[in-house]
Amino acid sequence: QSALTQPRSVSGSPGQSVTISCTGTSSDVGGYNYVSWYQQHPGKAPKLIIYDVSERPSGVPDRFSGSKSGNTASLTISGLQAEDEADYYCCSYAGSYTSSAYVFGTGTKVTVL
Amino acid sequence: QVTLKESGPVLVKPTETLTLTCTVSGFSLSNARMGVSWIRQPPGKALEWLAHIFSNDEKSYSTSLKSRLTISKDTSKSQVVLTMTNMDPVDTATYYCALSYGGFDYWGQGTLVTVSS
Repeated sequence: QSALTQPRSVSGSPGQSVTISCTGTSSDVGGYNYVSWYQQHPGKAPKLIIYDVSERPSGVPDRFSGSKSGNTASLTISGLQAEDEADYYCCSYAGSYTSSAYVFGTGTKVTVL
Repeated sequence: QVTLKESGPVLVKPTETLTLTCTVSGFSLSNARMGVSWIRQPPGKALEWLAHIFSNDEKSYSTSLKSRLTISKDTSKSQVVLTMTNMDPVDTATYYCALSYGGFDYWGQGTLVTVSS
């Protein structure tokens, strides 16, 4: 199972919007509506910010949104804030017992200019 | 309050077997729909999913590491254990356990394991 492909980095000014893509295959992203996104600040454990493609856990600001088209999922951060500077990872369900159940993306560093 | 905590050796020698324990509190490992994964992150690199144990005790492994991994759980102790055989310096990483319900909703703090002679 190959890692999902994400851009290495994206950047934006405070208040702008940025979008991170996550490209997989029909065996993972395209095959299931189980894409999740994680935010990771340096030295910290990842934090779930989107699950099931577009659902936000309680407490996650609504400026984080997710979507999917075909084999590509996307995370959009609207109204970028300084505290959004972090690494972001997508993850997709990829099967079940006979194959790898999950696969992560390559990660994207978001820089707030 | 749901918490997960990883424990295990901080240093292992090449060819040795690594055993990591994830102790969970605030939920039951027998809870339907929930599962626990082990995920690792080499220094400065991306997250890598390793293994998952479902609430019905079914297991799934990374295809690239399947021959080296074993995941198990002890519901009475609220623990999930991962063993990885034949450790190599490239396995140096922070190892996380994470609870899945929607996505990986809860994570442990992680434990850094260094493989060196």
